[in-house]
Amino acid sequence: QQPVQSPQAVILREGEDAVINCSSSKALYSVHWYRQKHGEAPVFLMILLKGGEQKGHEKISASFNEKKQQSSLYLTASQLSYSGTYFCGTEGGNAGGTSYGKLTFGQGTILTVHP
Amino acid sequence: SAVISQKPSRDICQRGTSLTIQCQVDSQVTMMFWYRQQPGQSLTLIATANQGSEATYESGFVIDKFPISRPNLTFSTLTVSNMSPEDSSIYLCSVDRVRGGYTFGSGTRLTVV
Repeated sequence: QQPVQSPQAVILREGEDAVINCSSSKALYSVHWYRQKHGEAPVFLMILLKGGEQKGHEKISASFNEKKQQSSLYLTASQLSYSGTYFCGTEGGNAGGTSYGKLTFGQGTILTVHP
Repeated sequence: SAVISQKPSRDICQRGTSLTIQCQVDSQVTMMFWYRQQPGQSLTLIATANQGSEATYESGFVIDKFPISRPNLTFSTLTVSNMSPEDSSIYLCSVDRVRGGYTFGSGTRLTVV
């Protein structure tokens, strides 16, 4: 089942912050975040494993609430290069903590950063 | 992380014909994944290809339409068979990164006319 991302689109000015949310109805083993620029392949940003982990990548960080089956991506002091479509990808797992080994992607959030 | 060479990068094909897409990885990988991305949409997993066994297809995708080969640990092909305009999409292959996440090939933009 496809995770739900919100918002569908965000427009920012350089230097502003944004939060993108990803919510799943299924138990999750991990959450991935990718950015895709127009005409290019998705690029891996980070992976979060269950455990309430928070990770950072330059000025982009993310959190994962395993109990709520939700993840959020935080973009701070946005730059023009942050523009693109952001996808979360969720990886399900069984009760024993083993991953099913495949990603289901959300519908994407279009982020546009203006000068 | 692995580098994937995917080709062709784009093609325009006549309906009823078939197109084979190739992905070459610069290191050995256990699993390769094939995705479809329709214009303006998300990525949908078509199948998972393991070397030495038949590919595992996701709901809505069948082997007759999307046959996959995986002859060794660095190479895979996806064929889109008996194409119709509804098959116009971007097709991407993907592999595990060593330290988590997935790397994608550059994609094949297919237009069926």
